[in-house]
Amino acid sequence: EPEVTQTPSHQVTQMGQEVILRCVPISNHLYFYWYRQILGQKVEFLVSFYNNEISEKSEIFDDQFSVERPDGSNFTLKIRSTKLEDSAMYFCASSEGFWRNTGELFFGEGSRLTVL
Amino acid sequence: AQKVTQAQTEISVVEKEDVTLDCVYETRDTTYYLFWYKQPPSGELVFLIRRNSFDEQNEISGRYSWNFQKSTSSFNFTITASQVVDSAVYFCALSAVQTGANNLFFGTGTRLTVIP
Repeated sequence: EPEVTQTPSHQVTQMGQEVILRCVPISNHLYFYWYRQILGQKVEFLVSFYNNEISEKSEIFDDQFSVERPDGSNFTLKIRSTKLEDSAMYFCASSEGFWRNTGELFFGEGSRLTVL
Repeated sequence: AQKVTQAQTEISVVEKEDVTLDCVYETRDTTYYLFWYKQPPSGELVFLIRRNSFDEQNEISGRYSWNFQKSTSSFNFTITASQVVDSAVYFCALSAVQTGANNLFFGTGTRLTVIP
């Protein structure tokens, strides 16, 4: 069964360092998303991406965050200068089309980021 | 503003018991979508169901059933004859047209433990 894969599964970094989280969406999907979940809290939307540009972003997604689809398979989330409060589980998701038509977002297993 | 409330933080049931997870939502939008996701201990988010605001028909899928009532703004989830494999955190989520195309608002989740 096709799945969204994320790497690394866990990354520990020092405050102020740059981090890149990688995602390989399902191959025929066109819409890509990042969500995050601070430990024990709700899952929060960060950004959506379609046709090589951001289609929507939340207030959390400030200038420290960026996304990129550097090639035909990867979708990355970069945090330029990590802060303690960036510690969270980051979920990548993809959908075949506009999810309201297709009904489902497929989530990866998440990348846990720990900022020390 | 959109809001999802899952008042039950944790529930424990004995295997084979039925359990209902509550979800209450708030939105001013007349067109919206409701979701349930399961997060097993492995951490990924597994899609269970999507409902749009114009479809109040209840749905049953195996041991799972969902009760959508617009009059009380609730979208409750019942597991019949629970099994140990049902142990997970369950999230209810809402997306409304006014907030944009891709933004899912998640509740804080209900941790279900099924005791063998």
